[in-house]
Amino acid sequence: QKEVEQNSGPLSVPEGAIASLNCTYSDRGSQSFFWYRQYSGKSPELIMFIYSNGDKEDGRFTAQLNKASQYVSLLIRDSQPSDSATYLCAVNDQAGTALIFGKGTTLSVSS
Amino acid sequence: EAGVAQSPRYKIIEKRQSVAFWCNPISGHATLYWYQQILGQGPKLLIQFQNNGVVDDSQLPKDRFSAERLKGVDSTLKIQPAKLEDSAVYLCASSPTGTGSPLHFGNGTRLTVT
Repeated sequence: QKEVEQNSGPLSVPEGAIASLNCTYSDRGSQSFFWYRQYSGKSPELIMFIYSNGDKEDGRFTAQLNKASQYVSLLIRDSQPSDSATYLCAVNDQAGTALIFGKGTTLSVSS
Repeated sequence: EAGVAQSPRYKIIEKRQSVAFWCNPISGHATLYWYQQILGQGPKLLIQFQNNGVVDDSQLPKDRFSAERLKGVDSTLKIQPAKLEDSAVYLCASSPTGTGSPLHFGNGTRLTVT
């Protein structure tokens, strides 16, 4: 059974701080890694994707991938109250099947 | 480009009744997915289509759930008969291909079974 694990939180950070969200996955053959943001009552929206080891930056967001440790993280710099949401980690295996999602981490940014 | 369209947005039914959901993917997207998201959990794949063929339906409860994608475009998901534990949001998503591409989600259908 392929699994994606996330700490459900809630993760609470003050406005302006760095939020660090972590995810581990069980399938060593996984190839593609995604972070989705989901506001309450809304559908998931793509924030970032990463395919190679290392860091990928997009504005205030940085995705980090370490395939040897089967670990992917999302850093949110200068956190804003509007970043308060559930963040879903998703993994796609080498067979090209559908994304497997974690349960999500709830982030709360206080002003 | 227009996003993934789903209907209805909300549905309330009694247990043992039937219900159907509709999805129209982004134009040109060959791969279509139905996910079930129970409150407090991540989306769980029910079925994946590539054009009008089924790629993965291993987690679809086939005794009560069925899905089709005629002509490789829009899709319907049906539940018959519904159980209380089917209460969830049903998300349709599409992607250009099935390998490594990000999924684009519709707004979902919130189903309540009483």
